[in-house]
Amino acid sequence: GALVYQYPRRTICKSGTSMRMECQAVGFQATSVAWYRQSPQKTFELIALSTVNSAIKYEQNFTQEKFPISHPNLSFSSMTVLNAYLEDRGLYLCGARSGNTGQLYFGEGSKLTVL
Amino acid sequence: GDQVEQSPSALSLHEGTDSALRCNFTTTMRSVQWFRQNSRGSLISLFYLASGTKENGRLKSAFDSKERRYSTLHIRDAQLEDSGTYFCAAEGAGYQNFYFGKGTSLTVIP
Repeated sequence: GALVYQYPRRTICKSGTSMRMECQAVGFQATSVAWYRQSPQKTFELIALSTVNSAIKYEQNFTQEKFPISHPNLSFSSMTVLNAYLEDRGLYLCGARSGNTGQLYFGEGSKLTVL
Repeated sequence: GDQVEQSPSALSLHEGTDSALRCNFTTTMRSVQWFRQNSRGSLISLFYLASGTKENGRLKSAFDSKERRYSTLHIRDAQLEDSGTYFCAAEGAGYQNFYFGKGTSLTVIP
């Protein structure tokens, strides 16, 4: 079956430091990967959509300088939260889209706590 | 503004009863996906629809095929294990982004 592994599951970092998270698609080809942040209030924000061989499209309020994303092939994507501060805390989720079915598959998320 | 309006935000059901969740879209959407988020934060996919209806056990989902402006998730004979937070995510017609609703927190009461 189609699975998405996301790691690390949780990170605690000091203000001003960075956190990198990775996403691995297994059992399907992820033609696009969407990175989301879920706030402590459970609201989802789309950070960016990455499609292999296309430019990464960032949503308003999110920039490549702050959230650089790599999507080198159809099974792997990574995102870094640079210079993390309190407002960056939340659960970061990658949603990998199957090129075959169009369905989104999610990893278990990476929870970021900033001290 | 929000493109996906999900209702209700919270719902309590007695075991054995039926109910429905709804997502309205401010614009035409290409597809919709429903998820349940468990206590660990994992998003479990329930349905993915580009049109029509799908059914799986006690769950059934529909996506308005005509104007593509709403979707519903029906829960029949609610069980305790159905408790959790349900989200719909709709795909816009443009850049293939999926936008999430704000979720429905469902509690099933014995």
